[in-house]
Amino acid sequence: EPEVTQTPSHQVTQMGQEVILRCVPISNHLYFYWYRQILGQKVEFLVSFYNNEISEKSEIFDDQFSVERPDGSNFTLKIRSTKLEDSAMYFCASNSGLAGTYEQYFGPGTRLTVT
Amino acid sequence: DAKTTQPPSMDCAEGRAANLPCNHSTISGNEYVYWYRQIHSQGPQYIIHGLKNNETNEMASLIITEDRKSSTLILPHATLRDTAVYYCIVRVTRNSGGSNYKLTFGKGTLLTVNP
Repeated sequence: EPEVTQTPSHQVTQMGQEVILRCVPISNHLYFYWYRQILGQKVEFLVSFYNNEISEKSEIFDDQFSVERPDGSNFTLKIRSTKLEDSAMYFCASNSGLAGTYEQYFGPGTRLTVT
Repeated sequence: DAKTTQPPSMDCAEGRAANLPCNHSTISGNEYVYWYRQIHSQGPQYIIHGLKNNETNEMASLIITEDRKSSTLILPHATLRDTAVYYCIVRVTRNSGGSNYKLTFGKGTLLTVNP
């Protein structure tokens, strides 16, 4: 069964460093998302991406964040200068975009620890 | 966005049906009810969704009241692997009828299936 994959599973970085989290959505899916979950808190929407541009972003997704689909398979989230409060699980998700299919498929997540 | 209210936790005996309630009294006529679950910090997993009619798939059944102000997710024969946080989400659409939408997660219900 197709699945969303994410790498790395755990990333440790120092405050102020840049990190790139990588995701491979399900092949042929058209809509892509990033969510994050701070330990013990809710899953929060960050950004949605379609047709090589951001469709919607939350207040969390400020100038320090960017997303990119550099090729036909990868979808990345970059944090330019990490802060302690960026420590969280980051989930990538994708959706096929086919009529009548509204479910999002989530990856296993990347645990980001900022020290 | 229509808000949802769920009990924070529930217990269920293995092999019995688990009935998870959700209130969404402010739901709009064209908003769907979605259920996802998250097993121990893994990525959320889609379960089922519905608009007006009751729905059933291989994982669960969804019962939506006639006034659509509440719904119940039913796991017919709960197993230990069904222990998870279950989220009831009312779909937010960016574009009417489109597949590009964000999911707004609440705190959900922690279902514990006991042996």
